[in-house]
Parts: sequence; C-alpha cells; structure tokens
Amino acid sequence: KAGVTQTPRYLIKTRGQQVTLSCSPISGHRSVSWYQQTPGQGLQFLFEYFSETQRNKGNFPGRFSGRQFSNSRSEMNVSTLELGDSALYLCASSGNNEQFFGPGTRLTVL
Amino acid sequence: AQSVTQLDSQVPVFEEAPVELRCNYSSSVSVYLFWYVQYPNQGLQLLLKYLSGSTLVKGINGFEAEFNKSQTSFHLRKPSVHISDTAEYFCAVSFTGFQKLVFGTGTRLLVSP
Repeated sequence: KAGVTQTPRYLIKTRGQQVTLSCSPISGHRSVSWYQQTPGQGLQFLFEYFSETQRNKGNFPGRFSGRQFSNSRSEMNVSTLELGDSALYLCASSGNNEQFFGPGTRLTVL
Repeated sequence: AQSVTQLDSQVPVFEEAPVELRCNYSSSVSVYLFWYVQYPNQGLQLLLKYLSGSTLVKGINGFEAEFNKSQTSFHLRKPSVHISDTAEYFCAVSFTGFQKLVFGTGTRLLVSP
C-alpha cells in the first residue's frame, strides 16, 4: 500500500504571495490532518478534513485554509504569506487508530 | 489545560547504553498516547501507541513505553541504543480523537560511538 504523499516537497515564495500544498492519503483513508512544524513553535495542528468537511480546526489565522476532494485528496492554502509561515507542513491520514504522516512540504518565505 | 511536556530537549548517550526519554501530559480525561520518531528531512514515523490494556507497550526497533496513569507519564525506553537511533523523538497525545494530536516539543537523541 502506498504511503501518504505530499507535493511539492520544497517551495520558495515571497511575502504577500499565496501557496497551495497537496496531500494524497493512504488508499481507503478518509481523514486528512495538517500540521505545521517550526523550530520555535514545534508541531501544531492546523485542521482536519473528513469526507470533504472540516471537522477540527486549530488556532491559526484565517489565512490558512484547506479543502478535501471526493477522492480524499486534500489541499491547504496559505494566503498573504508572512516570513513566519516558513515551516515544514506535514499531512497525515488516519486509520487503524493512528496517524500516518507524509514526508512534508518545506515552505520557505523570503 | 491539556498539554504535553518533554522535559529533555536533548539526550546524549553512548552506543549500546540504555536510554529513557520522558513524556508527561496534563489531562482530566482519558487519552491515547503515541511516540513518533523523525529523521532529518523526513516525516514522522510511529514507534508505538497506547490505546488501552497493558500499560507496557512494545514498539518497533526495540523501543517500549510504559503508561503510568497516576503520574500521567508515558516514558520511552530502549535497553541498548544504536548509532542509527540518532533522531528527534516526539511524544503525542490524543485528547479528543486520533485525528488531532498534541505534540511535545521533542527530544533529540544523540548516540555516539
């Protein structure tokens, strides 16, 4: 079974731009969660989607949004990028009472 | 407030020595507990999980952890570490569901020859 895949793996943007990250969960998994990992704040939960609906949300500003498609693939979008948005963004799909993580997308904001 | 604490930011140890990485959590409700490992430039890999039942949980790569409800702890142990165990280890707690984890700040395990 293929694991969780994330694209792109690396991304460089400038302040004020917007970015879209993609996540494909493990086949059969319907729940996708997103996390932000930074040296200062550690791993923080962004949001979770299940059957195309946002089911849980963390404490992030409205610039961070997401969506899920009927095939369970998910995207997250960050608008009006700030320097502090530079981070590793991890996606995880849930099954068998655990989360399976993808390799992450490294976003650098200049 | 629900929180997870990993007191040790870094643990240096010699190869073949035992190691314990500490994790404490704060919660008034039942929780599920996890340990993940992260190698450089990679995502998180699950080492082990506690859902219910026996408080001693065995995981991959020779790791084990013990759930102590009275002390609200879930410490990770390995009797003999290898160089390849050098990585960042994260304790995570599910307070409200498997889809939303709260992570500790991580412990960097440094194994030297």
